[in-house]
Amino acid sequence: EAGVTQSPTHLIKTRGQQATLRCSPISGHTSVYWYQQALGLGLQFLLWYDEGEERNRGNFPPRFSGRQFPNYSSELNVNALELEDSALYLCASSLGGGPNTGELFFGEGSRLTVL
Amino acid sequence: AQSVTQLGSHVSVSEGALVLLRCNYSSSVPPYLFWYVQYPNQGLQLLLKYTTGATLVKGINGFEAEFKKSETSFHLTKPSAHMSDAAEYFCAVSAVTGGGNKLTFGTGTQLKVEL
Repeated sequence: EAGVTQSPTHLIKTRGQQATLRCSPISGHTSVYWYQQALGLGLQFLLWYDEGEERNRGNFPPRFSGRQFPNYSSELNVNALELEDSALYLCASSLGGGPNTGELFFGEGSRLTVL
Repeated sequence: AQSVTQLGSHVSVSEGALVLLRCNYSSSVPPYLFWYVQYPNQGLQLLLKYTTGATLVKGINGFEAEFKKSETSFHLTKPSAHMSDAAEYFCAVSAVTGGGNKLTFGTGTQLKVEL
């Protein structure tokens, strides 16, 4: 069974540009989570989507946005890139909504470098 | 609100020695607790989790953790370290109530295993 897949693996952009990262969850999972892992800052929660809707958002500016498609895949967009956006962006999936059941399944991440 | 504190951003042990990685949490509701491991250039993999029931939880690769409510701790241990255990370890907490599996992570502990 395929795990969570993310693309691209690496992405290099310059300040002010836009970046788009993509994630395909495990088959049967309807929830997708995005985390930012910047050097020295651990994992910071960005966004949670379930059944096509944004359910929760972390403490990030509006230039971080995303969406979830009918097939439950998701995309993260970062507009007006800044140098500090350089990080590993991790996508995770889980069974959908409802009471908290625990485990997130992570992809290997997309490394964004902003020059 | 929930938070996780991991004491020691870097821990070094000798091969065969005890591994102890410390995690303290703060949660206003009963927590679910997790330990994840991240090998270089990879995503996160679940080591073990505590949801309800037995407070001593066994995970993969010989790791275990004990939930101590009175100490708000969930320390990770392994009796005998192996070179392959060298990785970054993250403790995480999520709320029992509410929807979704949004996790709040600690800043991570880098484990180094020396010969």
